[in-house]
Amino acid sequence: LAKTTQPISMDSYEGQEVNITCSHNNIATNDYITWYQQFPSQGPRFIIQGYKTKVTNEVASLFIPADRKSSTLSLPRVSLSDTAVYYCLVGEVTSGTYKYIFGTGTRLKVLA
Amino acid sequence: ETGVTQTPRHLVMGMTNKKSLKCEQHLGHNAMYWYKQSAKKPLELMFVYSLEERVENNSVPSRFSPECPNSSHLFLHLHTLQPEDSALYLCASSQELPDWETLNYEQYFGPGTRLTVT
Repeated sequence: LAKTTQPISMDSYEGQEVNITCSHNNIATNDYITWYQQFPSQGPRFIIQGYKTKVTNEVASLFIPADRKSSTLSLPRVSLSDTAVYYCLVGEVTSGTYKYIFGTGTRLKVLA
Repeated sequence: ETGVTQTPRHLVMGMTNKKSLKCEQHLGHNAMYWYKQSAKKPLELMFVYSLEERVENNSVPSRFSPECPNSSHLFLHLHTLQPEDSALYLCASSQELPDWETLNYEQYFGPGTRLTVT
């Protein structure tokens, strides 16, 4: 199973771009990479997913290098409300077995 | 958001009690999941259901018993739990199980049930 590793915490200031990198050295060919955001006392919320290269949506970008051993979530111009825990997840679908490996999460604190 | 609801939100139970957690999704999804989130540990996938059929049991102790009577409801029956089972239990749903055709790993999570076993 592909294990993910993320920084435990990060601090940033309002208006800055934040990049959170997730390492997944053993990622398998069929694995997709997904990122979630979690606020206290709430369930995680989907942010973005990708397989390779770059994916962008209205809230974030996801950069995946060619070897796919890592991925970087980019949050443009963060605000105080972006303070949350961000999880990198590598999904594995192998012979009908579904295993979703969440990382330990990165606690992002946005400062005024 | 009310797409996925969970009840109760908080539960305190003794080790000899039997209780059930309920999850309901109003999104018309076909797949549902139970996760466990302990302090300082990653989210752990417990069970996966697709069209009311269990497709994954991630080595979960038998004191946790899931039930999926229809595609909108998911239960987690608890009995003779241990203090280390205290955690936040999260339910999630997705349109379908992810595969190479759907390529969609988006899951919608409920707010969770905070369980304390005394």
